[in-house]
Amino acid sequence: AQKITQTQPGMFVQEKEAVTLDCTYDTSDPSYGLFWYKQPSSGEMIFLIYQGSYDQQNATEGRYSLNFQKARKSANLVISASQLGDSAMYFCAMTGTASKLTFGTGTRLQVTL
Amino acid sequence: NAGVTQTPKFRVLKTGQSMTLLCAQDMNHEYMYWYRQDPGMGLRLIHYSVGEGTTAKGEVPDGYNVSRLKKQNFLLGLESAAPSQTSVYFCASSYETVAGRESDTQYFGPGTRLTVL
Repeated sequence: AQKITQTQPGMFVQEKEAVTLDCTYDTSDPSYGLFWYKQPSSGEMIFLIYQGSYDQQNATEGRYSLNFQKARKSANLVISASQLGDSAMYFCAMTGTASKLTFGTGTRLQVTL
Repeated sequence: NAGVTQTPKFRVLKTGQSMTLLCAQDMNHEYMYWYRQDPGMGLRLIHYSVGEGTTAKGEVPDGYNVSRLKKQNFLLGLESAAPSQTSVYFCASSYETVAGRESDTQYFGPGTRLTVL
């Protein structure tokens, strides 16, 4: 069975600062994908970034990067130069060999002036 | 290119009533999914489909049925709604589910907020 753990229920960051959202995972599948989604207060789920288990380099998408440490089973999201619009709920998720996306419980990020 | 759309956006039902949620995608994706999201929890998979005419149970399938008669549409039915089914329902789709490939990224619809009284 797959499991995603997000231990930070809430985080605060000042505008223009960088912030790291933690995610650890557990799986016995040899191949898996790791994802981060953003859910603003409007409710939609927005795909941010993907990391494959065999990818050698950390994924980056604009201001988002995924700090992938396979031996530690961690997939932390780093947001650089935070903006007020980054305030949202962030979910870490993974897929394995089954057709199923397993989600963590999320971290609520609040960006302050 | 609308991506994934869901209708309706909001619905209030009385206990015992039935309804169908419609999901449509225009990305020619093979795989489609229905999730529910409850407060303090991530999303949980209800049912999914790996292609037209196929469906399979997810993590929390009880009380729901699904159909995938056309590749672009995935319907979620509640035959006899219960207050425990009050939730936000999300539909998602993906090109494939070969784990470890970016093509298994799931794209979500805007959600349907359902309240069962």
